Amino acid sequence: QKEVEQNSGPLSVPEGAIASLNCTYSDRVSQSFFWYRQYSGKSPELIMSIYSNGDKEDGRFTAQLNKASQYVSLLIRDSQPSDSATYLCAVHAGGTSYGKLTFGQGTILTVHP
Amino acid sequence: GAGVSQSPRYKVAKRGQDVALRCDPISGHVSLFWYQQALGQGPEFLTYFQNEAQLDKSGLPSDRFFAERPEGSVSTLKIQRTQQEDSAVYLCASSLGTANEQFFGPGTRLTVL
Repeated sequence: QKEVEQNSGPLSVPEGAIASLNCTYSDRVSQSFFWYRQYSGKSPELIMSIYSNGDKEDGRFTAQLNKASQYVSLLIRDSQPSDSATYLCAVHAGGTSYGKLTFGQGTILTVHP
Repeated sequence: GAGVSQSPRYKVAKRGQDVALRCDPISGHVSLFWYQQALGQGPEFLTYFQNEAQLDKSGLPSDRFFAERPEGSVSTLKIQRTQQEDSAVYLCASSLGTANEQFFGPGTRLTVL
């Protein structure tokens, strides 16, 4: 079982819709969770971080964390074609792992006009 | 500088050659990470520095890989006797501390022929 799992997609949504991206992780002691956006040929760009259970909203983005279920998600409201990218879920275990991030393989999102 | 910088952006090496990849982190960032990203995959952790100390090198795939950060700022990842399987994008990230958000540089795309 991979440590961080994401559905690779592609996930296709129409412009203006809500895109829902999901991620599960295996290490129960994980403490910090991040969503990165990666455009083709570019490096990952941090868009959201979440550390405690519940929802965290930032503009059109909402991150949701449920540590009991070992599940983190990202909602993108009013999706735009410019949101088309690969979305990477990253988990920081904490403790002796220092700052090492473990990434999922990413979900490809396509927003069509 | 404003962000993490890496050089060169692209490197083509013949099998067996040595290469050196440079990373210049965000000013004041104590933590520096190297990741390797294969096509279609999420980044994989290679090594971590806190200032000049290399605290975790568990992700380095072989003893051909070596990293240093002698003065606690710029870091160099060196790959000796490159092999075709070393072809990937090498990403550098920096953060204020181990538990903080990591910001990535543009990456170096290494192609070994």
